[in-house]
Amino acid sequence: AQSVTQPDIHITVSEGASLELRCNYSYGATPYLFWYVQSPGQGLQLLLKYFSGDTLVQGIKGFEAEFKRSQSSFNLRKPSVHWSDAAEYFCAVVRSYNTDKLIFGTGTRLQVFP
Amino acid sequence: DTEVTQTPKHLVMGMTNKKSLKCEQHMGHRAMYWYKQKAKKPPELMFVYSYEKLSINESVPSRFSPECPNSSLLNLHLHALQPEDSALYLCASSHSNQPQHFGDGTRLSIL
Repeated sequence: AQSVTQPDIHITVSEGASLELRCNYSYGATPYLFWYVQSPGQGLQLLLKYFSGDTLVQGIKGFEAEFKRSQSSFNLRKPSVHWSDAAEYFCAVVRSYNTDKLIFGTGTRLQVFP
Repeated sequence: DTEVTQTPKHLVMGMTNKKSLKCEQHMGHRAMYWYKQKAKKPPELMFVYSYEKLSINESVPSRFSPECPNSSLLNLHLHALQPEDSALYLCASSHSNQPQHFGDGTRLSIL
């Protein structure tokens, strides 16, 4: 069965520091991969997606993610974090032939200190 | 601003009440979804409508009844809910093989 693991439940960084959020997936073939962000009291906003092609994907708000097939990973990165990036981050995966069933990781809560 | 609009934003209801949640999108998406999200947890899929037909029901209790009157509208009818049904209910929509776009949700509290 498909699954997504986000090993870090909670991460704290200083404003201006770099950030990497980890995501590992379990799936036999290449899935479609996503990162979503959720601010308190709001819905989920898509940061970026990977379907195929270039394994380094650029997203909104200065985020990027790299798909590494050999490690079954899709880690999210940002070179310099802003206080407004504090939120919950979800990695998600779907099968390429059935994109309706989005499987979420458990989420990583990002806290940013000034 | 979100392109998927959910109303109401907050809802408080008793266990014997009947209420409905509404979701609207005007992006021409063919699929619409209902999710339930408890605090500090990821969203859990409840229902999927594809081309206005129910395609996925994730074994949701019958006290939740979805309805898709047209391609832009999705409702979730609630009746005789339990306190454990208190949660954030999220609606999403998508084109085929494209990412899902989420609304801001309805915060539901059952008294």
